[in-house]
Amino acid sequence: EAEVAQSPRYKITEKSQAVAFWCDPISGHATLYWYRQILGQGPELLVQFQDESVVDDSQLPKDRFSAERLKGVDSTLKIQPAELGDSAMYLCASSPGDATNEKLFFGSGTQLSVL
Amino acid sequence: DAKTTQPPSMDCAEGRAANLPCNHSTISGNEYVYWYRQIHSQGPQYIIHGLKNNETNEMASLIITEDRKSSTLILPHATLRDTAVYYCIVRSINDYKLSFGAGTTVTVRA
Repeated sequence: EAEVAQSPRYKITEKSQAVAFWCDPISGHATLYWYRQILGQGPELLVQFQDESVVDDSQLPKDRFSAERLKGVDSTLKIQPAELGDSAMYLCASSPGDATNEKLFFGSGTQLSVL
Repeated sequence: DAKTTQPPSMDCAEGRAANLPCNHSTISGNEYVYWYRQIHSQGPQYIIHGLKNNETNEMASLIITEDRKSSTLILPHATLRDTAVYYCIVRSINDYKLSFGAGTTVTVRA
């Protein structure tokens, strides 16, 4: 069964450093999402792409976070500079974009620890 | 999007049915009810969704009340591997994204 691939699985970085996460969605899925999940809470949407275009980035802290999906396939989420409060699980999801039968498929996530 | 209310936690016995309630009293006519679950250290996994009618698949059954203000997810024969956080989410047909709450932590005990 096709899966959403994410790397790295774990990342430890120091405060003020730059960090990047990569996501490869299921082939053919036009919609891609980045979520952040703080321990003990549900995932929170950071950014949503439709093909290469950003549909919703209202919850993305744009002073330090950036996301791109240049060719409408894989995507990168970057944090620069990282802060202690950024420690969380970063989840990528993709979906085929069917309004009445929409299902999101999630990757296993990248666990970020900022020291 | 309408908000949902779920109990923070519940236990159930292995082999028995698990009934997970969800309240969504402000749901509107063009909003679906979705259920996802998240096993520890993994990404959320789709379980089932419905609009008005009850739905069943290989994982679970979804019972939606006639007024659509609440629903119940039924795991017919819970196993230890069903221990997870279960999220009930209301999604507009006009908006692909999902907004997660805190969910219900379900612990299946032997």
